Formats: sequence, C-alpha cells, structure tokens
Amino acid sequence: GESVGLHLPTLSVQEGDNSIINCAYSNSASDYFIWYKQESGKGPQFIIDIRSNMDKRQGQRVTVLLNKTVKHLSLQIAATQPGDSAVYFCAENIANQGGKLIFGQGTELSVKP
Amino acid sequence: DAGVIQSPRHEVTEMGQEVTLRCKPISGHNSLFWYRQTMMRGLELLIYFNNNVPIDDSGMPEDRFSAKMPNASFSTLKIQPSEPRDSAVYFCASRFGAGQPQHFGDGTRLSIL
Repeated sequence: GESVGLHLPTLSVQEGDNSIINCAYSNSASDYFIWYKQESGKGPQFIIDIRSNMDKRQGQRVTVLLNKTVKHLSLQIAATQPGDSAVYFCAENIANQGGKLIFGQGTELSVKP
Repeated sequence: DAGVIQSPRHEVTEMGQEVTLRCKPISGHNSLFWYRQTMMRGLELLIYFNNNVPIDDSGMPEDRFSAKMPNASFSTLKIQPSEPRDSAVYFCASRFGAGQPQHFGDGTRLSIL
C-alpha cells in the first residue's frame, strides 16, 4: 500500500548545528503535509505544515521544504538545541479522504551538548 | 488554551476486563481521531469522527474495540474484553477543520496483564 516513510531512523547532531530530517511519500494525491515532534511520554506536537501548492515554508527556527517531483519532504531545524531532542514524524493528508493522516515511522533526533 | 485532554494517563488491568479511554477535544474542533502507538507498528489511526459522526473505522482492529462520540466535547474508546496485545499508548487528536493540523493529547498508556 502507499505510505509515508523516513530515510533515517536516527540522527545525532551537535548543539548549534543545523538538522535536516527527511521524509519520502508515495501518494501523488497528497495535498497537505505536517511535521510533528514527539517527546518521551507526550503526544505528537504540531511543528509546521505545508500545502502542496507551496515548496517552502518557514517558522521559528524551522523550515519545511516540499519537492513534489520526487515526492520528498524535509524539516530543517536551525541552531539545534538540546530541547529539540525528540522523535519527528511527517504526515501526509490524502485529498478527498476526510482528513485522514498517514504517518511516517519517525526519526529520532539526538542533540549532543 | 486547553489542549486535547485524555484520561486516564495510565491504565493497568487484567486481560478480560473492560477498558474505557476518554477524550475531550479542543473546544470548537469538529473532527476527532483515535490512534494507537506501538513500537512495532508506529502510529495507527483507529477511527475518526466528523461532527460527532464516525466516518472511517477501518482501523479498528476487532469487534472488541468500539468508539463513541455522544457530543462535540467528549469521546470514548472502549475495549471489551481486553487482551495483552492491546497494550499500547492510545492517543486522541482533534482538528478545527479540513486542511488544518490535528492536535494530540498526551495519550493513555494501557497495559493489559
């Protein structure tokens, strides 16, 4: 079946460096994408989203890039901090399926001080 | 603002017992989602409601699982009878409308002995 997947299950970076977390999706009908951060013992927390008619969106220290040609999504975190350590999930919304999200498997980001 | 509220946060019970998980969505949100998260299967959508009406329950694993949403501010997920393989973290999420991100509660960690 079609699904969202992540290239790297774990990512370790030095504090202050930039982080890039990647995600591949396979459904060309997906029209909306979301990145979530999940800390231990908590639910996924919304970080940033992007619609399929955009290729870049910026938030505070985060940027999401969407490449529809190769069905690739990335999350860039600038000046990574220890508090950024968590599991990051991408999720895709498939158009005309009532808002159902398909989640990737997640990437664990570890920030070394 | 209050987020999605789930109760209980932890539940430990013996197999065969009935388990009821509760969720209060964010006020004003018209869609509610129940997910299950395990290490093996990741985050799986069980069922979701739009305007209190169940739309897609194809993710509900068996007839032992049932969900209700009697009004816009409350939903339950019930397992009867419970089995050890039901052990997981169960999340509830709500959303304001189509094209908007889902917001998650902090989950119920369920252990069936």
